[in-house]
Amino acid sequence: EAGVAQSPRYKIIEKRQSVAFWCNPISGHATLYWYQQILGQGPKLLIQFQNNGVVDDSQLPKDRFSAERLKGVDSTLKIQPAKLEDSAVYLCASSLRGVVSDFGPGTRLTVT
Amino acid sequence: DQQVKQNSPSLSVQEGRISILNCDYTNSMFDYFLWYKKYPAEGPTFLISISSIKDKNEDGRFTVFLNKSAKHLSLHIVPSQPGDSAVYFCAASATGANSKLTFGKGITLSVRP
Repeated sequence: EAGVAQSPRYKIIEKRQSVAFWCNPISGHATLYWYQQILGQGPKLLIQFQNNGVVDDSQLPKDRFSAERLKGVDSTLKIQPAKLEDSAVYLCASSLRGVVSDFGPGTRLTVT
Repeated sequence: DQQVKQNSPSLSVQEGRISILNCDYTNSMFDYFLWYKKYPAEGPTFLISISSIKDKNEDGRFTVFLNKSAKHLSLHIVPSQPGDSAVYFCAASATGANSKLTFGKGITLSVRP
């Protein structure tokens, strides 16, 4: 079974630029999550999708972050414009039911 | 407000000995707890979990203990192996919270050969 796929793996941008991350969850997993992990911290949930509907986006900075999950499969997370404090690893995860069991390798974003 | 705390940032143990990783939580609504292991440049992988109706769950070399009254859980690895060297995250969720996980900061375990 293929795992959660993410791209790109690394991205360096300047502040005020925009960036997008892509995630392909495990086939059949209805729930998809985006987490932000800042260096030295644990992952923090940004947004949770159930199929293509948003279940929880309470910690998503909606003035600059957006996410979508078209057709209930792949998802994209966008930051526009980026700030220095957005430097982090962005993890996508999916689950069939219950809590998260499968994380992708993450995208390491550096904002300069 | 950190609801899941892993107060020790690192732990070093000798191969073959026991590793004990601790985790404390403050939210009494948490009723399901998980441990994840993370290698550099990889995403976290699920290791073991425990429901609040239990006080112990064992899977091979890994055992998780839960003390609800103290709001404390621990992960025991016996015997420790060099391949266990990684960052370990404690996470918790509450029933009815859409499986939302709250993670601790993680602890770096180093197992010396």
